[in-house]
Amino acid sequence: AQSVTQPDIHITVSEGASLELRCNYSYGATPYLFWYVQSPGQGLQLLLKYFSGDTLVQGIKGFEAEFKRSQSSFNLRKPSVHWSDAAEYFCAVDPTGTASKLTFGTGTRLQVTL
Amino acid sequence: NAGVMQNPRHLVRRRGQEARLRCSPMKGHSHVYWYRQLPEEGLKFMVYLQKENIIDESGMPKERFSAEFPKEGPSILRIQQVVRGDSAAYFCASSPSPGDTQYFGPGTRLTVL
Repeated sequence: AQSVTQPDIHITVSEGASLELRCNYSYGATPYLFWYVQSPGQGLQLLLKYFSGDTLVQGIKGFEAEFKRSQSSFNLRKPSVHWSDAAEYFCAVDPTGTASKLTFGTGTRLQVTL
Repeated sequence: NAGVMQNPRHLVRRRGQEARLRCSPMKGHSHVYWYRQLPEEGLKFMVYLQKENIIDESGMPKERFSAEFPKEGPSILRIQQVVRGDSAAYFCASSPSPGDTQYFGPGTRLTVL
């Protein structure tokens, strides 16, 4: 079945440490890929997206993600986490390439310790 | 340029009442999407609308739920005869055209007592 998987429900990192959030998808073709962040009580903010081209994508707030076709993955990374990065992170895919129906993973909640 | 606006931000209804959620897209955006987020889950697509047209409602429950995006005014998601299982956060997103990035509103948190 087509799906998006975020295997880590909850991650805790120390401020200043590096971060990697995992996202795997299972679709026949390469879908459009997105990472969104949701702060408590807020809506979702787009961090970055991948449609085609360079497999390393730069986003806002110092985030980047790498698309790996062989692993069906689109992991989100940040070299040095700030306390304000504490939030829930959602990976999303658009399997149709029309951006009309996003399918979201269940999210990874990031906690940052000082 | 104001973002996507949703109101109310919080809505409390008793079982059997109607819930009406509003979404005003970003200026210049004519495509609206509704998603539902149940507790501890990701967002689930419900419906995609353009002005006066429902394009894809494959994620809408077959009964009690309806959506519209009139020529003038906000998009409305209506839930009739609400049940406790309808308690969730409902998010609206908009885009200027099909295939373009979706920008999300802050959501409406519906609580059914």
